[in-house]
Order: sequence, then C-alpha cells, then structure tokens
Amino acid sequence: EQQVQQSPASLVLQEAENAELQCSFSIFTNQVQWFYQRPGGRLVSLLYNPSGTKQSGRLTSTTVIKERRSSLHISSSQITDSGTYLCAMRNSNNRIFFGDGTQLVVKP
Amino acid sequence: NSKVIQTPRYLVKGQGQKAKMRCIPEKGHPVVFWYQQNKNNEFKFLINFQNQEVLQQIDMTEKRFSAECPSNSPCSLEIQSSEAGDSALYLCASSLWVDSDYTFGSGTRLLVI
Repeated sequence: EQQVQQSPASLVLQEAENAELQCSFSIFTNQVQWFYQRPGGRLVSLLYNPSGTKQSGRLTSTTVIKERRSSLHISSSQITDSGTYLCAMRNSNNRIFFGDGTQLVVKP
Repeated sequence: NSKVIQTPRYLVKGQGQKAKMRCIPEKGHPVVFWYQQNKNNEFKFLINFQNQEVLQQIDMTEKRFSAECPSNSPCSLEIQSSEAGDSALYLCASSLWVDSDYTFGSGTRLLVI
C-alpha cells in the first residue's frame, strides 16, 4: 500500500500564480516534512511541519494530523520554483516514506 | 550546503564489482537512513541506524548490501557484487531520534555498466 499519496502529479502555472500541493497519509503521523528535489537529485528540506501551520518565505504548510493530510502552498510562484516537490512522513518505526512527488512547471 | 556529506558524488562500476559509498551525518545526529532512488524517482528504504546499531533493513540489504556506522568514522554502504539494477541515486539522511526533521545529503549516483 502506498503510504503517502501526493496530488496533483504535475502542475503547470504562469509566473506569479499560487500553487497548492496536497499530501495524504495511510496512517496518523506527526512527522511530516516537505522537500524540493533538484534536477541533480539532492533533496532540499523546505518545511518540517508536524502539525498546524508553518511558514517560510513564500511557502506555507498546513498539517492536520487527525485528517492525515498536509498541504504546501507556494505563493507568487517564480520560474525557479520549477522542479519536484516531495512530501515525506516518518512512522513510529523510524522509517521515512515518500510520496511520488508533484512536478511543478512555472512558465514566464 | 548540506550538513550531511556524501562521497563520492558519482560512482561507476562494472557488474560484479564492489561499490562503496560513504556518508557523514549531521553533527550530533544519531539516526542515519539510506535510501535508493531509482530512475522512476521511487524511493526504496535500505537500512537505518541509531548510533552504531542497525534498526531496520530490507531483505535486499541483507543479501548483497552491507552497511555500517562505526563511531568516529563515516557511515558506509557497500554493494558486494554490483548488478545493473543497482544503478540509482543513493541518498543518506540523518536526524535526531524523534520529533525532529531530517537532513539529506547530495547523494551518490551509482552507474553499473
């Protein structure tokens, strides 16, 4: 069973539009982290958000544990935001599960 | 710059050869994870450690893969006899035990030819 479901699989935006990425989990977890994966493969941590709402610059994440979901909002998207966004959770056995990612393309 | 240091960045091996990669976790992080990301961008958990002890590992790791995290030395992941299907990006991450985030290294991209 896929532990982490992400949507949409891909998203195309015009520059300056906002993006909303969704993540849902098969289990209750308070260990949620959002990553951006660069084309070369390196995973860059965007936000660690175990619960509630966290903000970093143009990024806002909201995690609702009882509903087993988390979202990532990107405001005023820029061309350089293009790439793969991954949602990950860690379970009580200390294993990390990733979603399949959202491929974001921001066009000028 | 990543606080988790992985070396080498690229590794090319022939089938049947050993392939070894290293990871220096973020300072003070006792938990280390190894993941394999294939060409379809799917993540596969390989093994994790707390300090020098193995917490969990998958069957694949038990057969051809070996890993260790000795004290005062880099952690390592070694494939005893590389196969073409082992070609992938190998990612190392570290964290504190619970209720904390985790940091990934830049990865080692292995190509088995």
